[in-house]
Amino acid sequence: KNEVEQSPQNLTAQEGEFITINCSYSVGISALHWLQQHPGGGIVSLFMLSSGKKKHGRLIATINIQEKHSSLHITASHPRDSAVYICAVIYGGATNKLIFGTGTLLAVQP
Amino acid sequence: NAGVTQTPKFQVLKTGQSMTLQCAQDMNHNSMYWYRQDPGMGLRLIYYSASEGTTDKGEVPNGYNVSRLNKREFSLRLESAAPSQTSVYFCASSSLSFGEQYFGPGTRLTVT
Repeated sequence: KNEVEQSPQNLTAQEGEFITINCSYSVGISALHWLQQHPGGGIVSLFMLSSGKKKHGRLIATINIQEKHSSLHITASHPRDSAVYICAVIYGGATNKLIFGTGTLLAVQP
Repeated sequence: NAGVTQTPKFQVLKTGQSMTLQCAQDMNHNSMYWYRQDPGMGLRLIYYSASEGTTDKGEVPNGYNVSRLNKREFSLRLESAAPSQTSVYFCASSSLSFGEQYFGPGTRLTVT
């Protein structure tokens, strides 16, 4: 079982739809990242959060530490949102490590 | 500002050859990282440097060495390349250890 699991693995949406991508993890963490990887390969950091909720434009990230779960929401989706969305967790404890999920491939159709 | 730069962008090596991937950042970040990305595996941390003068192993360090040359530069060396090291390699940096990360454009390495 992977320590970080994302769902769905693939998602196709119509422009304007509300999108949710989920990330579940099995270890105690100190924080969680959401990243976006563009079709050309470039990777951009979207959010880093350790509790609650963060919002940036049409993107919203939430985390529930007790349930070991985070969600990334995209409101009013647009074709330019098409990308791979990656969740990564930072292990807590004496040794910090970063473990990544395998990503969710999102395609937003016009 | 260039952000995080990596050289080269592409490289083909024969098994047993050595090479060094270069990474530099101009954001005065303390921490730097090397990742590899393989199809179906996601990103995996190879080595990181929490601050100048320190380096630590990540999830997949075998077959690699790193040098934090100064605050700006963090290089990754393959001493004897193997086909299993065929991958896309990303360098990243952050102000705080494992904080918000800024990624370089990647190096696509093929070992034949």
